[in-house]
Amino acid sequence: EVQLVQSGAEVKKPGESLKISCKGSGYSFTSHWIGWVRQMPGKGLEWMGIIYPGDSDTRYSPSFQGQVTISADKSVNTAYLQWSSLKASDSAIYYCARAAPGSHESFDFWGPGTMVIVSS
Amino acid sequence: NFMLTQPHSVSESPGKTITISCTRTSGSIANHYVQWYQQRPGSAPTTVIYEDNVRPSGVPDRFSGSIDVSSNSASLTISGLKTEDGADYYCQSYDGHTVVFGGGTKLTVL
Repeated sequence: EVQLVQSGAEVKKPGESLKISCKGSGYSFTSHWIGWVRQMPGKGLEWMGIIYPGDSDTRYSPSFQGQVTISADKSVNTAYLQWSSLKASDSAIYYCARAAPGSHESFDFWGPGTMVIVSS
Repeated sequence: NFMLTQPHSVSESPGKTITISCTRTSGSIANHYVQWYQQRPGSAPTTVIYEDNVRPSGVPDRFSGSIDVSSNSASLTISGLKTEDGADYYCQSYDGHTVVFGGGTKLTVL
């Protein structure tokens, strides 16, 4: 059974750093792209970027390029999303999603999401 | 970049059929697959259709997807509506560089 397990909710202060995770199981982790999606409170879904854990090839949405870093550690089947300096506007739920076989834009499985609250 | 335009909300009665549209503003709808995601309140999205018309395992065949080149749009059709189908539905596609989501459609079944 395909599963994406995400790290728990975070409460941080502006300016702090953060790294959240997404661990895949039940499939070949290195053979599927993993994407990250933001959902701000009461808003829709926004694509942030994707990574291919097999070789760490990474693509970013222009809206998020330079704002976050996406990485993966294939030895532990885990993808990461990190910030070096959080802002209040980064408060959102962040979902990881697995891309369908042979695709990097068709998501077929989603993680439960990680809520990030940034507040002074 | 292109956009995907969806109706803000739709409603229909249980047992009926509804179609939610997703119109691509530039570039051909046929050039890249369209996906549809369901998001119930307080839950993560789940995939109901990917690659235009493929249902993931476990998604009932009441859900179907299609594209229409003439209107440059995609559609999600849900037949035999159930109250549990009430949710937000998002379409999503690609332009070779960027993944784009539609703004979402709130489906009310009452």
